[in-house]
Amino acid sequence: AQSVTQLGSHVSVSEGALVLLRCNYSSSVPPYLFWYVQYPNQGLQLLLKYTTGATLVKGINGFEAEFKKSETSFHLTKPSAHMSDAAEYFCAVRESSNTGKLIFGQGTTLQVKP
Amino acid sequence: GAVVSQHPSRVICKSGTSVKIECRSLDFQATTMFWYRQFPKKSLMLMATSNEGSKATYEQGVEKDKFLINHASLTLSTLTVTSAHPEDSSFYICSALRTAGELFFGEGSRLTVL
Repeated sequence: AQSVTQLGSHVSVSEGALVLLRCNYSSSVPPYLFWYVQYPNQGLQLLLKYTTGATLVKGINGFEAEFKKSETSFHLTKPSAHMSDAAEYFCAVRESSNTGKLIFGQGTTLQVKP
Repeated sequence: GAVVSQHPSRVICKSGTSVKIECRSLDFQATTMFWYRQFPKKSLMLMATSNEGSKATYEQGVEKDKFLINHASLTLSTLTVTSAHPEDSSFYICSALRTAGELFFGEGSRLTVL
C-alpha cells in the first residue's frame, strides 16, 4: 500500500527566501506523485505532478519538485517565496489500483514573513 | 482548465436535518468522483468513490447510511449528510476524474451543524 509522509507540519520562511517542503513516499510500484496547494476555505489546486519521464518537474507559480527514487522523495521547492505563497500544501500519491484515488500527506502550512 | 463546482459553498443547518451537497463537472464527463472530508488543520480523508450509474464505494469506517452518495449523471454527484449532528461539521471536498486520468477538485463546502 502506498503512503505519503510530509516532514514538518509548519514551515516558516522570510519573503524572498528559499521554500523547501519535504515529502517522502512509500510505494511498491512506480508512483504517480502530486503536490497541491490549498488556500483558506478553498479546494485544492494542482501545483505539479510526476508520472513518468523527467524527474525534475516544473509547476505553476514558480514551484518545482524533483522525484528521487533512491531517496523515495518528492520535495517541493521555490527559489524565492512570495507573501501570496502562504497556504497549506499537500503531497499525494496515486493509489496503485489506478482508480484515481489519491492518498494525501498530512499537509504542511507555509508561513511567509515579510 | 477543467472546472469542478460544488454547491453550496457554505451551509448551516440545525441538528437532525439533512443536507445535500452537489459536485458538478462543468466541462467534462466524470464517471468517477471522489468525496473527501477535511477537519480543521488536517489532511483530506477519502470518504467514498462515487461511480456513475452504480453504488458508491465507501472507505472503511465511513457510515454509508449517514453519508448518502448518488452519482446519477456523468456530470453530477451528490453527498447527502443525513440527520446531521454537530460532529458532522466539516469541510467537504469533491474531485472528479477526467478520462485522461486527471483529477480536478471542487472548491469545497463548509458544513456547520448547530
